[in-house]
Amino acid sequence: DIVMTQSPDSLAVSLGERATINCKSSQSVLYSSNNKNYLAWYQQKPGQPPKLLIYWASTRESGVPDRFSGSGSGTDFTLTISSLQAEDVAVYYCQQYYSTPRFTFGPGTKVDIK
Amino acid sequence: QVQLVESGGGVVQPGRSLRLSCAASGFTFSYYGMHWVRQAPGKGLEWVAGIQSDGSRKLYVDSLKGRFTISRDNSKNALYLQMNSLRAEDTAVYYCARDNDVSDHFSYFDYWGQGTLVTVSS
Repeated sequence: DIVMTQSPDSLAVSLGERATINCKSSQSVLYSSNNKNYLAWYQQKPGQPPKLLIYWASTRESGVPDRFSGSGSGTDFTLTISSLQAEDVAVYYCQQYYSTPRFTFGPGTKVDIK
Repeated sequence: QVQLVESGGGVVQPGRSLRLSCAASGFTFSYYGMHWVRQAPGKGLEWVAGIQSDGSRKLYVDSLKGRFTISRDNSKNALYLQMNSLRAEDTAVYYCARDNDVSDHFSYFDYWGQGTLVTVSS
């Protein structure tokens, strides 16, 4: 099974500052035939279901603010919030969908305001 | 707009069964694969099961195989999760989620329901 890890476990960032979350997969999630990374990012606010932010590692879902961006390839990925807003306080999860039938999630990174 | 509404959760004794339902609307349900994902209190997300658009292929996390069964009724726009021999560790919020892919493959999860809480306790 592909194991997903995230770092840090939590971080506190001042409003307007950059937040960076890392995600690492135990094996590559890059599918060579289409050159796509099978990696998604989700945001979960307290008491709410997860919400899709990013897919194919770097494609922003419709309606997601452009301060959210995803990067990386192979086994190492990053979610960046360029200018943290109060409404971005949440837990962020990465997920691989390369190795079905096992859609594994990372353990999550909690983002707070400093 | 896409809506997924789960129901069927509640308090159940260990060893008993429960069936969860997810009512879908706002899209052509029969085109999309669907999934169940659970979240234990204060914990992260765990994918539980997935089913292809026509119900022909069903996937399960290894640890649950044999106890949980995913199914769907495309005529009713409904997804189900039959949970048998429930254990305390199955206590979680159960979400249904739509798979973005409309082919025979599976992909990321683009819409999620609000979830239904299952509590397994004597």
